[in-house]
Amino acid sequence: DTEVTQTPKHLVMGMTNKKSLKCEQHMGHRAMYWYKQKAKKPPELMFVYSYEKLSINESVPSRFSPECPNSSLLNLHLHALQPEDSALYLCASSQSGSFSGNTIYFGEGSWLTVV
Amino acid sequence: RKEVEQDPGPFNVPEGATVAFNCTYSNSASQSFFWYRQDCRKEPKLLMSVYSSGNEDGRFTAQLNRASQYISLLIRDSKLSDSATYLCVVSGLQGSNYKLTFGKGTLLTVNP
Repeated sequence: DTEVTQTPKHLVMGMTNKKSLKCEQHMGHRAMYWYKQKAKKPPELMFVYSYEKLSINESVPSRFSPECPNSSLLNLHLHALQPEDSALYLCASSQSGSFSGNTIYFGEGSWLTVV
Repeated sequence: RKEVEQDPGPFNVPEGATVAFNCTYSNSASQSFFWYRQDCRKEPKLLMSVYSSGNEDGRFTAQLNRASQYISLLIRDSKLSDSATYLCVVSGLQGSNYKLTFGKGTLLTVNP
């Protein structure tokens, strides 16, 4: 069982809605990640937080807004999304972001459908 | 050249077969290398890290050739439960953090 917990598992939202995806880990990891995965494609990195600070933003549109309230929690706030944003959103964590060999652990993901 | 390229697959093999996946990466400064496995509609999970000296974990053997920027995964005595997508993953520095870059994945189906 994954030690990275994501909620909700499934979310259907309209294009004018505001919703949030939540992620929690209790492994003491100091790096947390959001990935987006479309069907039959590999995960694509969106954001990296290291020690609760945003360290990588892969030119993600501003309708996706990450937040890291503390070292265990990572949120992704969603507003004015488009149907093409429908995907599996994966949260992940690793011990730190500054060592290349750290294993990254993924949560089970949140399946998002924008209608 | 794509950052991480894998065999396009899909691979369909009988139980007990040996199957090999290949992967190349474009950034010579890449530091660490991994194979992840992803089952249908599940999250990716680390299968094994890949070391320059090569490493083995049961039926799985991974090899790395830094000079050729090439990574491989060999699965011996395939089981039905090995059916999954295998993702070649490379870690490289961006700013002060490392990020993983995933290959497109190779779908393996092991048939009875």
